[in-house]
Amino acid sequence: SQQGEEDPQALSIQEGENATMNCSYKTSINNLQWYRQNSGRGLVHLILIRSNEREKHSGRLRVTLDTSKKSSSLLITASRAADTASYFCATVNSGGSNYKLTFGKGTLLTVNP
Amino acid sequence: ETGVTQSPTHLIKTRGQQVTLRCSSQSGHNTVSWYQQALGQGPQFIFQYYREEENGRGNFPPRFSGLQFPNYSSELNVNALELDDSALYLCASSVPGSGNTIYFGEGSWLTVV
Repeated sequence: SQQGEEDPQALSIQEGENATMNCSYKTSINNLQWYRQNSGRGLVHLILIRSNEREKHSGRLRVTLDTSKKSSSLLITASRAADTASYFCATVNSGGSNYKLTFGKGTLLTVNP
Repeated sequence: ETGVTQSPTHLIKTRGQQVTLRCSSQSGHNTVSWYQQALGQGPQFIFQYYREEENGRGNFPPRFSGLQFPNYSSELNVNALELDDSALYLCASSVPGSGNTIYFGEGSWLTVV
């Protein structure tokens, strides 16, 4: 079963704009991770945020985590056409296997040149 | 480049047949997981192997089985294929330890006709 839900399901923006994707989940987590997937390809790990962290940055990526609301957001600043892909959040549950990722359905981001 | 290699890239099988998918991980990555991703969905956890033993399983029937070998390679076997088994199968590997990056292969596309 899916743990999280990404919102929106699809997002279309112009190059240079910022893109924000949200993720909600249901159970207590150890950490939350964001992945990128180009069409029909494998998943690429973007960033991991632990349950005791509130915000994390990596290059043009900013991730926030609100455990009280069981939600996370991924912000991509100054988007590029090459950022076009599907983005998934995935959780590792507290007390569960460290390596069982529970994914949402993803947000399809289209960045128009 | 994630260091995780999967084969074959694409294959077509007939309902009722059996299939073996292969994965080769980085040296030292003694934890490997397999995921099934149906079209338009997020990946679903099938099972995980650690040091050649299964140590976690998702909601998949016993006809989904696996093996992990000492040389950091692994297999996913599916018996009695059904049409709904058509999906992208992803292998993921990592070193033990919560919060370590999980590396995904490019996946094997399976079509069951």
